[in-house]
Amino acid sequence: DAGITQSPRHKVTETGTPVTLRCHQTENHRYMYWYRQDPGHGLRLIHYSYGVKDTDKGEVSDGYSVSRSKTEDFLLTLESATSSQTSVYFCAISGGGNTGELFFGEGSRLTVL
Amino acid sequence: GEDVEQSLFLSVREGDSSVINCTYTDSSSTYLYWYKQEPGAGLQLLTYIFSNMDMKQDQRLTVLLNKKDKHLSLRIADTQTGDSAIYFCAEKGGSYIPTFGRGTSLIVHP
Repeated sequence: DAGITQSPRHKVTETGTPVTLRCHQTENHRYMYWYRQDPGHGLRLIHYSYGVKDTDKGEVSDGYSVSRSKTEDFLLTLESATSSQTSVYFCAISGGGNTGELFFGEGSRLTVL
Repeated sequence: GEDVEQSLFLSVREGDSSVINCTYTDSSSTYLYWYKQEPGAGLQLLTYIFSNMDMKQDQRLTVLLNKKDKHLSLRIADTQTGDSAIYFCAEKGGSYIPTFGRGTSLIVHP
């Protein structure tokens, strides 16, 4: 299994509080992604990174920011959490090789009350 | 933007074959994937097919690709209760960002 660790795995917070989710990889892969998964919507890309300090927005980036100061860590921050951000968040990594397959973390379940 | 469509649910009896279908719009897709998500877990790559192939078989799994119709299917032979999961179709063209479908929940009845 690809070495991807997400933390925390579960978090309950209140509206208006900041939240940071961490994705840590040991594969030295170049590309990292944050997705959210919601019933009826499947997977939606929030932000992605194509290298250290190189990030870009996905389709549902409003209310989220990311940082990647090291190859192995990709942080997702909700500056002021809202109930609409209650979701399961998945980090994924890719080496960008020919097949371009993604390896996913186990997910972080966030509940915003 | 590019789109990937798949039905949301499929129910089969144990021992039967399951066929999950997917359509996509990107004519420049080079790789097409099937990912499996078991309850409470992340997605795992099940299999993939390169765009110049029509079929790929891997034990109980058969992937069929019709490039003309932009249609991809996953057939699971002798479906078992352990195959119950969500199956995601995805495609990737020239970029490193794949496009995922919404996932098909496969329910296998004993």
